[in-house]
Amino acid sequence: DQQVKQNSPSLSVQEGRISILNCDYTNSMFDYFLWYKKYPAEGPTFLISISSIKDKNEDGRFTVFLNKSAKHLSLHIVPSQPGDSAVYFCAAAGNQFYFGTGTSLTVIP
Amino acid sequence: GAGVSQSPSNKVTEKGKDVELRCDPISGHTALYWYRQSLGQGLEFLIYFQGNSAPDKSGLPSDRFSAERTGGSVSTLTIQRTQQEDSAVYLCASSVGSRDWGSNQPQHFGDGTRLSIL
Repeated sequence: DQQVKQNSPSLSVQEGRISILNCDYTNSMFDYFLWYKKYPAEGPTFLISISSIKDKNEDGRFTVFLNKSAKHLSLHIVPSQPGDSAVYFCAAAGNQFYFGTGTSLTVIP
Repeated sequence: GAGVSQSPSNKVTEKGKDVELRCDPISGHTALYWYRQSLGQGLEFLIYFQGNSAPDKSGLPSDRFSAERTGGSVSTLTIQRTQQEDSAVYLCASSVGSRDWGSNQPQHFGDGTRLSIL
């Protein structure tokens, strides 16, 4: 029972363009959503989060959008840089944390 | 170091053997989590420790898996009689506060232990 889904396993974007990573969830009771970034052979690192009472949170080049009615969140990275190439996991927090399967982003120089 | 430390970084063992994986959380972090990531899968929750409270073991896949956290700090995840399906990266994370505190306490992850069962 996958409560958090990332349906795109991979994404390629040209440097300077916008990267949009998507995430869907099933439980309307989740109260916080987070994005983590993971490089090979390293643990995930926290990137940005959003409370369920908000619909947008911005931090530099990273913006997370939350659409509660659609149970959908997205991470926008603009402009994308080659160093952003990594696997991005979304996570939802309720009585425990649920992670998606990740989207591998490749930013092409 | 200031981060979460896991050891060993890699472990190869024969089916049927027991393994122990270690996690040193960030000093002062009361919450500790174990996850595993199998090939092509997301992060699967295993167990959660919060201070001196009884751990949430709801994610442990079988009774071959157990974990303890001594003195509220270091944690050990033990897998007995390993099976090939146990092969995965085992990740430990810690955070400052309880996961019930509005969940706005991001977890800090270690680099994981890559476990391979032959």
